[in-house]
Order: sequence, then C-alpha cells, then structure tokens
Amino acid sequence: GAVVSQHPSRVICKSGTSVKIECRSLDFQATTMFWYRQFPKQSLMLMATSNEGSKATYEQGVEKDKFLINHASLTLSTLTVTSAHPEDSSFYICSARKTGTGATTDTQYFGPGTRLTVL
Amino acid sequence: GQSLEQPSEVTAVEGAIVQINCTYQTSGFYGLSWYQQHDGGAPTFLSYNALDGLEETGRFSSFLSRSDSYGYLLLQELQMKDSASYFCAVRDQRNYGQNFVFGPGTRLSVLP
Repeated sequence: GAVVSQHPSRVICKSGTSVKIECRSLDFQATTMFWYRQFPKQSLMLMATSNEGSKATYEQGVEKDKFLINHASLTLSTLTVTSAHPEDSSFYICSARKTGTGATTDTQYFGPGTRLTVL
Repeated sequence: GQSLEQPSEVTAVEGAIVQINCTYQTSGFYGLSWYQQHDGGAPTFLSYNALDGLEETGRFSSFLSRSDSYGYLLLQELQMKDSASYFCAVRDQRNYGQNFVFGPGTRLSVLP
C-alpha cells in the first residue's frame, strides 16, 4: 500500500500565530507532494506543488510568503501558515505521488487532512 | 486552463444504480480520475481512465469518452456507506502532468 500521514489532524490557534503542518509518506518515496485547501462543501483547491530539493510552485492567488512550503526529503513536506488569520481557517490536505510512477497512471495518495481553526 | 462540471447533488435509494457525470475542458489530457470523500475525511482514489471505455472495479465503474470530453462514475447496488462526495479530476499539463484539477464535486445521498 501507500500511506500518507499528516500532523496535526486538528489545530486551533490565535490570530497572528504560525502553524506548521507535516505531511509524510510512510512507505514510499515521493518526489512530488501537493498541498490542497478545502472549504466546507467545496472542492479541493490546489495551493502548491512541492518538489523535493527545489522551491515549491504556487498556484495563482496563493501567497508564497504566507504559505511556506518545504520539501526537505523524499518522505516529508511541511506547510507553514504564517501569521494566520480567521480567513485561513480551512481543511488542508496533502497528497504524495509515488516516485517512479509512469505519467499514464494515477497514483496520488492523500493524507487524512488537517483542520485549522484560527480564532 | 482546465474546467470540470459535475451535478451538485444526487439522491438515490439503497440497492439502486446511480451515474455521476463529469464533463471537462482541458488544454492537455492525461486521464480522468474519480475520488470519494466522506464528510471530514480525505479523498480516496476510486478509479482512473486514460483511454476510452469502461473500467470496472467491484460495484464501481468508470467510463471515459475522450472525443466527447466526458466521463461518468457508475455506482451499483448502492449502500448507505456510499453517501459521500464524489469528485472527478483531470491532470493539468503543468509540472509534467502531475498536477490535478478537481471538479466541484457531487454529493450523493443514499436513502434507506
């Protein structure tokens, strides 16, 4: 199988603080990890693509200075929400693509998500 | 860019068959995927079609017609646990075709 974990699963913080979310691929190496945000009853919106050893690629409209992404190893990517505000409250989900997978297959594995609430 | 359309809601009874359609517009095509997401949970992969035709996996089947930019997910012998949101997704040609764009989702309610 392919298991992706996220930590923490739920976090509540005060406005202005920073929150770090970890995404780990537990039994495979992931050159590429993806970070999504999902608001209630809405679809998943890709925030950024995290490539191991290089800078993340952010989607249009996503502030790279606010959502810091680090992909320091083949099994770990982190998303840091800096100076969080109530409008950043959302469900953040990471996914990982198995290294070596051909371009014709779909092998994106999702973490369980992190629910962030900013007071 | 990419855009996908799905019905927002579908309701059916246990034991029935339901079809969830997805139409897409894409500048490059690497296949159509389907994901299931229960409330509060993460999406789980259901199926993937790169070529035209029907793919069957147990009670779930997925169909693709590339010429029509259309696909559907077919759920048979519906069970209460199938109540969830279902998303179709296509792969964006950026980042070597690795990025996914998700449809708006279809909320399936299965009634007893």
